[in-house]
Amino acid sequence: GAVVSQHPSWVICKSGTSVKIECRSLDFQATTMFWYRQFPKQSLMLMATSNEGSKATYEQGVEKDKFLINHASLTLSTLTVTSAHPEDSSFYICSAPRGTALYEQYFGPGTRLTVT
Amino acid sequence: RKEVEQDPGPFNVPEGATVAFNCTYSNSASQSFFWYRQDCRKEPKLLMSVYSSGNEDGRFTAQLNRASQYISLLIRDSKLSDSATYLCAVEGNKLVFGAGTILRVKS
Repeated sequence: GAVVSQHPSWVICKSGTSVKIECRSLDFQATTMFWYRQFPKQSLMLMATSNEGSKATYEQGVEKDKFLINHASLTLSTLTVTSAHPEDSSFYICSAPRGTALYEQYFGPGTRLTVT
Repeated sequence: RKEVEQDPGPFNVPEGATVAFNCTYSNSASQSFFWYRQDCRKEPKLLMSVYSSGNEDGRFTAQLNRASQYISLLIRDSKLSDSATYLCAVEGNKLVFGAGTILRVKS
């Protein structure tokens, strides 16, 4: 069964609104979670590393004030896309490490965001 | 040069065929390598990890060539259900994914 859940799985919003995406680890704790974005026919691009109890680490070129990450508990990380625009439309996927292997990751089912 | 490169395909093969994909990487310090399978509009699922020279799991064999900086994935006796996009991922100071190789297995 799924070990990482995401909610919502699909969201359509109007330009200028904010959207919050939740990522939960089920039955295990994750001090680190990763947020990726995937545009059609392109690879997954790491946006940021979410760290429980501390600030997220953002990849170069990702605006931290636009993509707000909160990792308030060991099982929940949230990504808020603020003032969304059509170019933010994408597939957002979170992941959490499997045990101690940081880079063997369980992925959530993804959230498909469409901004009109 | 991209950090991780894959032939996008598609590879169209008949059922029962053997097919292989390569993935090249640029960071010679990378230690961990992975193959993921991604179905259309779904999340990637870990297929195999490669930490040393290679790994085998049933019909799937992954090999690592550090000298030439590539990993390969071999699928034997292809099934229709193997049709998917195969992503390789390379660990540097983060996990970097290739754009994926599309495999279509036809009856």
